[in-house]
Amino acid sequence: SQTIHQWPATLVQPVGSPLSLECTVEGTSNPNLYWYRQAAGRGLQLLFYSVGIGQISSEVPQNLSASRPQDRQFILSSKKLLLSDSGFYLCAWRQGGTEAFFGQGTRLTVV
Amino acid sequence: KQEVTQIPAALSVPEGENLVLNCSFTDSAIYNLQWFRQDPGKGLTSLLLIQSSQREQTSGRLNASLDKSSGRSTLYIAASQPGDSATYLCAVFNDYKLSFGAGTTVTVRA
Repeated sequence: SQTIHQWPATLVQPVGSPLSLECTVEGTSNPNLYWYRQAAGRGLQLLFYSVGIGQISSEVPQNLSASRPQDRQFILSSKKLLLSDSGFYLCAWRQGGTEAFFGQGTRLTVV
Repeated sequence: KQEVTQIPAALSVPEGENLVLNCSFTDSAIYNLQWFRQDPGKGLTSLLLIQSSQREQTSGRLNASLDKSSGRSTLYIAASQPGDSATYLCAVFNDYKLSFGAGTTVTVRA
């Protein structure tokens, strides 16, 4: 069966520090992969999505970037974090006309 | 750009009452619609997926309807229980993207 792993679960980082969040999917191939952010009390904002290795689409211009170095690996990065980057980051995968499945999320606090 | 709206934003009901959660979307050219549940501080759990060609989908006490032409979906939860307390999110899929509503936060009082 398919599973999605996202880590770390929580992270506290100082302003100006780099960021790397990783998401991996098991049990499927060539999935569509997504990064979302959920600010406190708000809905999910799509940040990036990828339909294949090396293919990244950005939805919101910001301080973040994404990469897909392998078929089932999706990485969210920043060179220098801002206070406004705090939030709950969720990775998701989807394939064909099927359901989307989400990871358990990373709570990022920038201090 | 797809806009998804969920009404009401919050709902509090006594145990045993039926729940009705509404979702509307602006672009009817969707591929499918999915309902999720989110517990505080947790990820999203998929509840139901409705393909664009379907009118409704059922799973246990949950029933979701879809009227694509009018841009609406409704999630019904029968005989609510305190364990149903959570935030329920509606998402529509088109152009490779899932667009979410802000959610309805449900509290079921024992």
